[in-house]
Amino acid sequence: EAQVTQNPRYLITVTGKKLTVTCSQNMNHEYMSWYRQDPGLGLRQIYYSMNVEVTDKGDVPEGYKVSRKEKRNFPLILESPSPNQTSLYFCASSFRTGTNEKLFFGSGTQLSVL
Amino acid sequence: DQQVKQNSPSLSVQEGRISILNCDYTNSMFDYFLWYKKYPAEGPTFLISISSIKDKNEDGRFTVFLNKSAKHLSLHIVPSQPGDSAVYFCAASARWAGGTSYGKLTFGQGTILTVHP
Repeated sequence: EAQVTQNPRYLITVTGKKLTVTCSQNMNHEYMSWYRQDPGLGLRQIYYSMNVEVTDKGDVPEGYKVSRKEKRNFPLILESPSPNQTSLYFCASSFRTGTNEKLFFGSGTQLSVL
Repeated sequence: DQQVKQNSPSLSVQEGRISILNCDYTNSMFDYFLWYKKYPAEGPTFLISISSIKDKNEDGRFTVFLNKSAKHLSLHIVPSQPGDSAVYFCAASARWAGGTSYGKLTFGQGTILTVHP
């Protein structure tokens, strides 16, 4: 089954404790991205990757890191989480071609930073 | 700066009637528009899209209309069903900006649609 898998689904942590949210896709997509969803703000892009070893900042990259060492995986790293990073996070992927920007999303990771 | 805006946080409709969800954008470089649907505890899923060379695209009960001069698009659901109750996100892309497809979508805030039986 074609899917984007995120782990964990729920995470509660404390300020400053490094964490990683994993994302994996099995559709051989070149493009992967992370979004956060906040009330009244919709989905905002954090980082994206056009292909292996190619990553770039989205609209709200502060406090986050990513890596793309393999095509299928795109982990999101919070080196020193803060309470304002409490949010619902989505990983997404798609083919890179310009004819269809249809993104496939994971089920989300609800992060609470205390 | 919110480049894609959905000004109605929520919409309530009776089953069988039409649901109309609206979306406005400010960036004139946007040339491809999509609607996503999101159920609780799930990720958004693609619903329907439209290119800027068209003004209407239809898929079953769902129709998207694009008014480029007004920088406005709308999603019509006819007839509405209780299973349509979800959050609907409008998204836009500037695919050919600079001759490169960035694959980046800019999303609106979302509209919660409730369809009552």
